[in-house]
Amino acid sequence: QKEVEQDPGPLSVPEGAIVSLNCTYSNSAFQYFMWYRQYSRKGPELLMYTYSSGNKEDGRFTAQVDKSSKYISLFIRDSQPSDSATYLCAMNKNSGYALNFGKGTSLLVTP
Amino acid sequence: DAGVIQSPRHEVTEMGQEVTLRCKPISGHDYLFWYRQTMMRGLELLIYFNNNVPIDDSGMPEDRFSAKMPNASFSTLKIQPSEPRDSAVYFCASSGQGTDTQYFGPGTRLTVL
Repeated sequence: QKEVEQDPGPLSVPEGAIVSLNCTYSNSAFQYFMWYRQYSRKGPELLMYTYSSGNKEDGRFTAQVDKSSKYISLFIRDSQPSDSATYLCAMNKNSGYALNFGKGTSLLVTP
Repeated sequence: DAGVIQSPRHEVTEMGQEVTLRCKPISGHDYLFWYRQTMMRGLELLIYFNNNVPIDDSGMPEDRFSAKMPNASFSTLKIQPSEPRDSAVYFCASSGQGTDTQYFGPGTRLTVL
């Protein structure tokens, strides 16, 4: 079993919908949590970064971490067709350690 | 800054041939990571370097894979001999000291026939 689990989707939503993407993990030592966005045939790029439990908001994106449940989420409000991409969660124990990635969830936002 | 540079972008080779993938990290970054991405297994860490020194190579699938970082601005990932199951997209990423933000290159799409 991988340390980080993520539903691969695909997830298809209409433009304007609220999107919820999730990951679960098994290693309680993880304390740095990230979301990367990967467009087709491109490398992943960092979207959100959070430390420990709590919420972080950046524009239409909100990252949520619940360490007690070992569960992290990414919410996208007012989704746009340009949000269509694969979203990968990533996490590690400490700065300088390698990241553990989920497999990614494919999102399609239809006009 | 040009970002992380990888070459070639696409590589098609025949089974048994040697393949060399190249990466130039962002200037000033201390960490360099090599990943492999497939539909089945997702993004897998192969090896990473800190200040040109390999820190963890436990993800390297077998002895056919080797990686070097002769200086701070260049790294190679070599597969010899290549096999069809090595077909994947190989990414290089770099990050600075004290930060977890990894910047990925565009990847090399490898096809082994």
